Amino acid sequence: KQEVTQIPAALSVPEGENLVLNCSFTDSAIYNLQWFRQDPGKGLTSLLLIQSSQREQTSGRLNASLDKSSGRSTLYIAASQPGDSATYLCAVETSGSRLTFGEGTQLTVNP
Amino acid sequence: DAEITQSPRHKITETGRQVTLACHQTWNHNNMFWYRQDLGHGLRLIHYSYGVQDTNKGEVSDGYSVSRSNTEDLPLTLESAASSQTSVYFCASSESTGWLSGELFFGEGSRLTVL
Repeated sequence: KQEVTQIPAALSVPEGENLVLNCSFTDSAIYNLQWFRQDPGKGLTSLLLIQSSQREQTSGRLNASLDKSSGRSTLYIAASQPGDSATYLCAVETSGSRLTFGEGTQLTVNP
Repeated sequence: DAEITQSPRHKITETGRQVTLACHQTWNHNNMFWYRQDLGHGLRLIHYSYGVQDTNKGEVSDGYSVSRSNTEDLPLTLESAASSQTSVYFCASSESTGWLSGELFFGEGSRLTVL
């Protein structure tokens, strides 16, 4: 059974800092990995999707990497802003478009 | 703009009552999913569908059912609500192209309280 772990569970940083969120998964036979953002009381918004054949994806200040063999992904956020404060979740697809989610990292960026 | 909407956003019901949560997407996606989100468990898959008339059980399907009569809608029914089903429910959809799955788009969630 696929298990996804995100460390740390919570992170607080000052504005402007570069930061890395970590995601690990137990079964390396994945189709893709997605990073999501969730604001309080809201649904999830997809940030980046990395197919299994890819190593990384970038969108603006966000860069996600994927190392299938080691079962790891990182989400790098450059020059963090208070508006980046949210919970970040990673999820892996192992078959049939069905995702297994981690429990998320709650990020607070302090002005 | 295409979107995915859930209703109701908040509902309080009593144990034993039947409850239906609606999900409607205008993306024309083939794949639709229902998840529940609970502290300590994260998001867990309840049921999913790959197209009209197709439904499948997920990780935590006991006590829930779905039906897919058209592309746009996947209602989730709790046949006899239990307190353990108090949760936030999310509907999601995605499109697949060949072997590649697309991004997953989520609704805003439905918060259900069973008393």
